[in-house]
Amino acid sequence: AQSVAQPEDQVNVAEGNPLTVKCTYSVSGNPYLFWYVQYPNRGLQFLLKYITGDNLVKGSYGFEAEFNKSQTSFHLKKPSALVSDSALYFCAVRDIWTDKLIFGTGTRLQVFP
Amino acid sequence: NAGVMQNPRHLVRRRGQEARLRCSPMKGHSHVYWYRQLPEEGLKFMVYLQKENIIDESGMPKERFSAEFPKEGPSILRIQQVVRGDSAAYFCASSFGGTTSTGELFFGEGSRLTVL
Repeated sequence: AQSVAQPEDQVNVAEGNPLTVKCTYSVSGNPYLFWYVQYPNRGLQFLLKYITGDNLVKGSYGFEAEFNKSQTSFHLKKPSALVSDSALYFCAVRDIWTDKLIFGTGTRLQVFP
Repeated sequence: NAGVMQNPRHLVRRRGQEARLRCSPMKGHSHVYWYRQLPEEGLKFMVYLQKENIIDESGMPKERFSAEFPKEGPSILRIQQVVRGDSAAYFCASSFGGTTSTGELFFGEGSRLTVL
């Protein structure tokens, strides 16, 4: 079965510092991987995706993610965090058998001024 | 181009009543997905529909829950005889051709159901 794991419930980082939000995956075949962000009382917004090609994927709001096949990881990164980046971040994988996205449990990012 | 529209945004029901949540996908999208988000939990898949067809309902509770996406009009998620455990945020997402096309889903703002 396809799945993703987000090992951290919360990540705290100071504004201006680099941030990493971790995600590991388990899939059969080639993975389609996604990151979404959810602000309070809002829906999910697409940040970026990896389907094929370069291992470093660039997305919205200055975020990027690195696909690492050997470590089965797809960590979300940003070189310099902003307070406005504080939100709930979800990693997701496409289930190739059922054509739906399977989400991780989410990681709450808190950026302190 | 309007995004995915969900209504109502907030719904309060008493135990035993019915809840109907509506979702209008983005223009041109014919694939609709419903997810449920419980407090402090992630998103759980419920059902995947295309126009007039249920493609995958593996995440739907066996009783009280149903979904439809008619030829005309919005998709409806219906919960009969609600219980307090149904209190959650219900999100609808749409795509043009399922996740096999561009891959990403476009989400609505959610409908927050509170059962008293």
